Amino acid sequence: QSVLTQPPSVSGAPGQRVTISCTGSSSNIGAGYELHWYQQLPGTAPKLLIRGDTNRPSGVPDRFSGSKSGTSASLAITGLQAEDEADYYCQSFDNSLSGYVFGPGTKVTVL
Amino acid sequence: QLQLRESGPGLVMPSETLSLTCTVSGGSISSSSYYWAWICQPPGKGLEWIGSIYYSGNTYYNTSLKSRVTISVDTSTNQFFLQLTPVTAADAAVYYCARLGEAAPGSRPFDIWGQGTMVTVSS
Repeated sequence: QSVLTQPPSVSGAPGQRVTISCTGSSSNIGAGYELHWYQQLPGTAPKLLIRGDTNRPSGVPDRFSGSKSGTSASLAITGLQAEDEADYYCQSFDNSLSGYVFGPGTKVTVL
Repeated sequence: QLQLRESGPGLVMPSETLSLTCTVSGGSISSSSYYWAWICQPPGKGLEWIGSIYYSGNTYYNTSLKSRVTISVDTSTNQFFLQLTPVTAADAAVYYCARLGEAAPGSRPFDIWGQGTMVTVSS
């Protein structure tokens, strides 16, 4: 069982806005460690989508945005597109486990 | 640009040793700015950090795997390695190598990933 929790799935119609939550605790997100998000398209390696809570690496569309507050974080996708259908993972560091941790992943379905 | 590529046997027998190599190209593994990591993903499941290594050889392991894992580095060949022993069916997974990008300790992202290599555990 992961120390970070995410909803198993979210869905939305093309053009809509969806959000994915990532909830942790005082030993990870709440401890001040930065939160990162990854997109994993079917059959491919994960790709860094958001780093440092809110920052998009070069080449990531501005439809993707991240936020963090307290022991939780969120990834928002605005103007949902068919190509956004993928699994999304949050990731942080946990000082109780002394290691990097991932959320269980959220499958985004475009209706 | 920097690329990582995993290589190694796709089939390992139960109780034997899983050995994988990650070859780094387009940059130096000896950069003081980065760490290097192994991550696994069982079929249909999520991602799990296995461990990380610095070019100096300092290692950090997932406590749940620590007794079975060894990660090492060879700066002369720009490669780092994963050994997992003994393996069971539960270790069947896609194994990724990745770079841990620049950031404060504990806040590094896995910013560059290899394509992954599938390892099956079976006799």
